[in-house]
Order: sequence, then structure tokens, then C-alpha cells
Amino acid sequence: DVKVTQSSRYLVKRTGEKVFLECVQDMDHENMFWYRQDPGLGLRLIYFSYDVKMKEKGDIPEGYSVSREKKERFSLILESASTNQTSMYLCASSFSDRRSEAFFGQGTRLTVV
Amino acid sequence: AQKVTQAQTEISVVEKEDVTLDCVYETRDTTYYLFWYKQPPSGELVFLIRRNSFDEQNEISGRYSWNFQKSTSSFNFTITASQVVDSAVYFCALSEYILTGGGNKLTFGTGTQLKVEL
Repeated sequence: DVKVTQSSRYLVKRTGEKVFLECVQDMDHENMFWYRQDPGLGLRLIYFSYDVKMKEKGDIPEGYSVSREKKERFSLILESASTNQTSMYLCASSFSDRRSEAFFGQGTRLTVV
Repeated sequence: AQKVTQAQTEISVVEKEDVTLDCVYETRDTTYYLFWYKQPPSGELVFLIRRNSFDEQNEISGRYSWNFQKSTSSFNFTITASQVVDSAVYFCALSEYILTGGGNKLTFGTGTQLKVEL
């Protein structure tokens, strides 16, 4: 079974903290994605990566950065967390073939107080 | 830029009714793929179906069927004889190749909440 694992299910952080969300996949997928999910807004793409050390901005990259040093791991970084970054964060991975479906992690519910 | 629109925010049906979820997309790409995903109350998104842009044959898989029409940029999804277990949020998604940097960008719609009641 394909597995995408996010390091935390729930996180509570303070405003201004640097926050790391980690995602690991075990299927040798080239593509990895970070989305945030908010009520009424669906899934919005923050960043994606198609290879080690390669990244592309999604639709809402402001306030975020990413790191992909190894193929299986994709990290989302909130440099200085703010309350408007309180959300559900979803990691996904897929093969590079555009017909490949994405597999999702269980999500991280981040609350910034 | 690519865009996926799901105009239906919420749909409620009674069990055994058929229900169709609408999806309209925008893309400049000539070759692309469309997907439907399901997010049950447990939260984890699950892949349901995919359709490529160069084959307009519509298909049926069990209680699921889909209608792809390139002329209207629509990719609608139908559940026949709905069941309570079908209650979930359903997302339409578009995969498009990014020429400038590489890789495939996967863009989702805002989702449709389906409630199936007894």
C-alpha cells in the first residue's frame, strides 16, 4: 500500500514561531505537493516539487517555504507563523506521469494562537 | 492559469436517488487529465476516477459514471442509487504539465458536500 505520512495530526503553535510540517512517502514518487484546506475554499496548492531540490510555487506560496533534500521527504516551513495560517495542511505525492493519481496523507490540523 | 470550478457547494439526496456532481475547468494545455476524489468524514482524500483529455468516451464503473465534454470543459460525476456511505466531500482536480519549470501541477476545485439521507 502506498503510504504518505505526515509527522503530526494536530499542532498548536504561537504567533511568530517557525513551524515545520514534515511529509514522507514510501512509493518513490517524483512529485510531492503541499495543500491547505479551508472551509469553502477547497484545497489550495501552496508548493509542489517534481524532483529533489526542485520546487514550484503553487497558488498561495506567500508566508511559506519548502525543502526537499531527499526524494521521499517534503517539508513545509512557516517562517513566522500567523493566525491566518491556522488551517488543515495536506501533503500528497504522485508519479511524474501526469495521469498518475495523487496519494494523500492524513492531514495536519495546525492552530496558530 | 488552470482553474477548476465546482459550483455546487452542498447537495442533499435521499438514499437510492441518483446524484450528479458538476465540474468545469479551464486550461491552456491540450493534453491534461481530470480526476475525482472523495473525502469522507475521516478526512483522508481517496482517488476515485481519472479521465484524459483526448478520449471523450464516457465510462461506468459500478455505481459511478462520468461525463466528459471537452467542448464545454466539463467533467461531471454521477453516483447511481446513492447510499449513506457516499456522504462525503467530492473534489474535482486537473493535472497540467508545467513547461517553465517542470512537473505536474494538480489543481483542485472547492469541493461539493454530498449528504445522503435515509
